[in-house]
Amino acid sequence: TQLLEQSPQFLSIQEGENLTVYCNSSSVFSSLQWYRQEPGEGPVLLVTVVTGGEVKKLKRLTFQFGDARKDSSLHITAAQPGDTGLYLCAGRSGGSTLGRLYFGRGTQLTVWP
Amino acid sequence: DTGVSQNPRHKITKRGQNVTFRCDPISEHNRLYWYRQTLGQGPEFLTYFQNEAQLEKSRLLSDRFSAERPKGSFSTLEIQRTEQGDSAMYLCASSLLIGEPRGYTFGSGTRLTVV
Repeated sequence: TQLLEQSPQFLSIQEGENLTVYCNSSSVFSSLQWYRQEPGEGPVLLVTVVTGGEVKKLKRLTFQFGDARKDSSLHITAAQPGDTGLYLCAGRSGGSTLGRLYFGRGTQLTVWP
Repeated sequence: DTGVSQNPRHKITKRGQNVTFRCDPISEHNRLYWYRQTLGQGPEFLTYFQNEAQLEKSRLLSDRFSAERPKGSFSTLEIQRTEQGDSAMYLCASSLLIGEPRGYTFGSGTRLTVV
């Protein structure tokens, strides 16, 4: 059972389009992170969100943490081929597993020129 | 500092053989994590260290798996009597424990293929 559900699983769009990917859970997380992973490489951290309702912007990427800290979204404006990759969300809960991150399965984004 | 380094990048082994992977974290990072990733899945937690202490192990880490981090620096992950189901990308990550939360810095991984 996946603690974090990501949707859609695959997304294929043309350059210049906007898109939103989602990360949902029934669990509350103390923080949530988004990573991008390219084939044959490790994930690279994009952002960490901590506060319910928090919105962070990274150039054309906008990240939002749900008010209840159970879900998050990533919105990309005017997508470019360089945005192609696997987008992973990962959450950290409190308690005895403070060190562990729980990852979703990811959204594979392909942006065509 | 060039980031988290993992060796080897690729390993092909016959079923039943033992393999060992190495991870060199960012030097000032005191936390080191091992994850496993199979095709179409996100990374799955295996274990993590704070300095030299192994603080948590996943149920995924069977008796055939052992991880060490002597002196709180590099870490090794050994798999004994490999099985085909062990084929995966093994990812190492490190982070600095100052004021949670912080993200991980991942290495490029070791791709294991068991034939």
